[in-house]
Amino acid sequence: NAGVTQTPKFQVLKTGQSMTLQCAQDMNHEYMSWYRQDPGMGLRLIHYSVGAGITDQGEVPNGYNVSRSTTEDFPLRLLSAAPSQTSVYFCASSYRTGTGELFFGEGSRLTVL
Amino acid sequence: GEDVEQSLFLSVREGDSSVINCTYTDSSSTYLYWYKQEPGAGLQLLTYIFSNMDMKQDQRLTVLLNKKDKHLSLRIADTQTGDSAIYFCAESKGSNYQLIWGAGTKLIIKP
Repeated sequence: NAGVTQTPKFQVLKTGQSMTLQCAQDMNHEYMSWYRQDPGMGLRLIHYSVGAGITDQGEVPNGYNVSRSTTEDFPLRLLSAAPSQTSVYFCASSYRTGTGELFFGEGSRLTVL
Repeated sequence: GEDVEQSLFLSVREGDSSVINCTYTDSSSTYLYWYKQEPGAGLQLLTYIFSNMDMKQDQRLTVLLNKKDKHLSLRIADTQTGDSAIYFCAESKGSNYQLIWGAGTKLIIKP
């Protein structure tokens, strides 16, 4: 099994550009989420989903959109990139909502110039 | 400020024990977790402890929980170079059990 797969691994954007970070899991997990990781800070939750068709905001949702049309996929869209969105982004999933046993992708490093 | 606090760095000699500490704020947290992040990789769950336990041991790892002081520690016995990583503490709380993360402790192994 591939687990949680994120693409791309690296991306450079200019301010104002939009892009989508892809996340796919092949474990039939109910719960999926997006975090950002910044130096000296813990992971911060951007958006999460408890099942296909259901999404909700986390701690830092501004500037990001998500959708969950299938159980497997949970893309994260940056609508108009800003330098403050320079970060490493992680997708994580778990077999059910309410458990902290998360499976993480390898991360996507985004730089916004 | 952060709900979960950790020192940013810990340096130990190979073969010694490493003790990584974490303090949290919510006494109602049900589970507390330790995750490991190796360079350039995602996080992996190392171990977790339920809030009604004081200690949990798994091979070289020992987790101690002091609920009175809201203090969690992770002890790694016989530290090896492969233990070099960032270790994150996290607590689950709230009705939706979202995780609240510490900033991570980078474990540096000296030969």
